[in-house]
Amino acid sequence: NAGVTQTPKFRVLKTGQSMTLLCAQDMNHEYMYWYRQDPGMGLRLIHYSVGEGTTAKGEVPDGYNVSRLKKQNFLLGLESAAPSQTSVYFCATSNGYSYEQYFGPGTRLTVT
Amino acid sequence: KQEVTQIPAALSVPEGENLVLNCSFTDSAIYNLQWFRQDPGKGLTSLLLIQSSQREQTSGRLNASLDKSSGRSTLYIAASQPGDSATYLCAVTSLDQTGANNLFFGTGTRLTVIP
Repeated sequence: NAGVTQTPKFRVLKTGQSMTLLCAQDMNHEYMYWYRQDPGMGLRLIHYSVGEGTTAKGEVPDGYNVSRLKKQNFLLGLESAAPSQTSVYFCATSNGYSYEQYFGPGTRLTVT
Repeated sequence: KQEVTQIPAALSVPEGENLVLNCSFTDSAIYNLQWFRQDPGKGLTSLLLIQSSQREQTSGRLNASLDKSSGRSTLYIAASQPGDSATYLCAVTSLDQTGANNLFFGTGTRLTVIP
């Protein structure tokens, strides 16, 4: 039972490059979330999904896109990376907004 | 917009001491409050979840209280140990700017327990 996994763990991009972060869960949770964590700012919600085939914007969605084609996977894409997107990205899952959220180990992304 | 504040930002205590971490939030219309632990370079681990109808939750040496009307929560750690050293994050579930329920985080309290 792996819980919530994220790939890759680390990545360095150049400005303008694109990449996709993968979140996978084996907990059969309906809700999935992408957050970014920056020093002094706490975690902020980027996008989330309340079920397969659905996505919605969070607090800081600009510059990111997401897809939830399968219930167990939630993808976060950066089409044209910018230095401001240097951050640690966390995926989380839950069975609804009133339930506990379970977090993945994070992806550390640096954009130069 | 919901704002979550945690004070102090950092705390050092000798081993064995009892301690209290504080969390405050600006909008009392919350569904629940969750305390997390984060070790350096790691993800978040959920410690306690308090529903809005509850006043407190306990797990081992941890006790979290919630006073929704005043917008406050405390996390009490009894008989602290060096292994408790970590950053503790408070988060509340409430409505965001789109009208959906989401989690709003504080910036955390970094706890160091000195042997």
